[in-house]
Amino acid sequence: AQSVTQPDIHITVSEGASLELRCNYSYGATPYLFWYVQSPGQGLQLLLKYFSGDTLVQGIKGFEAEFKRSQSSFNLRKPSVHWSDAAEYFCAVGAWTGTASKLTFGTGTRLQVTL
Amino acid sequence: DTGVSQDPRHKITKRGQNVTFRCDPISEHNRLYWYRQTLGQGPEFLTYFQNEAQLEKSRLLSDRFSAERPKGSFSTLEIQRTEQGDSAMYLCASSLGSGGGNEQFFGPGTRLTVL
Repeated sequence: AQSVTQPDIHITVSEGASLELRCNYSYGATPYLFWYVQSPGQGLQLLLKYFSGDTLVQGIKGFEAEFKRSQSSFNLRKPSVHWSDAAEYFCAVGAWTGTASKLTFGTGTRLQVTL
Repeated sequence: DTGVSQDPRHKITKRGQNVTFRCDPISEHNRLYWYRQTLGQGPEFLTYFQNEAQLEKSRLLSDRFSAERPKGSFSTLEIQRTEQGDSAMYLCASSLGSGGGNEQFFGPGTRLTVL
């Protein structure tokens, strides 16, 4: 069964600083990988996804992520954080079970941005 | 595109009562998912519909839980004889097509509090 580990529960960065959120996955086949963001009281919004091809993927809001098969990682990065980026970030792996397309999420990383 | 909507947004109930939640997916999406998210955790898969057929259910979905998608459009999730452990955010998502990599669009969720 697939699993996702986000080792950092809470991260605080200053506005304008760079950001990297870690994600490690376990899956037997080529993974479909996603990063979602959740603001308080809001649903999950997709930031970016990796299916195949270029291992560096660009997403919305200036985010990017790099797939590293050898490290089973899919870390999220942003060169300069804005105060509005404060939210909860979830990494997920998608798997086709033959009947369903299921997402398995990590426990999330809460990002706090100081001014 | 009005996105995925869920109703109600919040529900407070007493233990032992029945509750029902509704999800309206994006209109052309044939796949619909329910997830549950407890405090400090990522969403966990509950069940999945392709059109009106419920194709997969998680072990998390006890006999007290039932979900329907009668005409392949909106879906309902009912919890009978609610318990305090049912308190969580219930998220609905929809997607178009098949495979593990299809993007799932999430609604804002229904937050259930069982007293």
